[in-house]
Amino acid sequence: EVQLVESGGGLVQPGGSLRLSCAASGITFSSYWMSWVRQAPGKGLEWVANIKEDGSEKYYVDSVKGRFTISRDNAKNSLYLQMNSLRAEDTAVYYCARNRVRLDPWGQGTLVTVSS
Amino acid sequence: QSALTQPASVSGSPGQSITISCTGTSSDVGTYNYVSWYQQHPGKAPKLMIYEVSNRPSGVSNRFSGSKSGNTASLTISGLQAEDEADYYCSSYTSSKTNVFGGGTKLTVL
Repeated sequence: EVQLVESGGGLVQPGGSLRLSCAASGITFSSYWMSWVRQAPGKGLEWVANIKEDGSEKYYVDSVKGRFTISRDNAKNSLYLQMNSLRAEDTAVYYCARNRVRLDPWGQGTLVTVSS
Repeated sequence: QSALTQPASVSGSPGQSITISCTGTSSDVGTYNYVSWYQQHPGKAPKLMIYEVSNRPSGVSNRFSGSKSGNTASLTISGLQAEDEADYYCSSYTSSKTNVFGGGTKLTVL
């Protein structure tokens, strides 16, 4: 069974940093693009970033460019999202998902709250 | 990177059919057949229902179908059931090599 488990969320002050992780099991992790999607409380889904199988290509939504970095460690079957210069509007549940356009499956999400 | 346009809400009675539209531009929906649809129940992670415009993943009911015409994609649910009540999101690949979601549609089964 394919399983994605996010971790690393929590409460952080504006301007602070946080690193999210997504542990994958049940798949050949190195064979897939991986994506991060977020959902602010009571709001819709927003695509954040994705990364190619070997990490050679990365794409971001404009609102996080220069602040967030997506990365992966195929030896550890893990996906990461380094988030710097966090703002209140980054408050959301962050989901990791397999693939680039056909997002399936999704993890259960990890909540990031940016507040003083 | 403007969001795709979906109706905020739709409703239907059990057994009826409903259609949710998803309007984009020639930079996303109109050019690429990489339109996906996701179902999300409250407090749960989204679930893939349709991919590449009209394909159903294994395990998804054939009551769910997708189509596209020009810059608008559509999700149709036939034979509505109570468990179909959820939020539905469309998504498309874009010419900027990014993805974009719709604002979401709340489906109410009356």
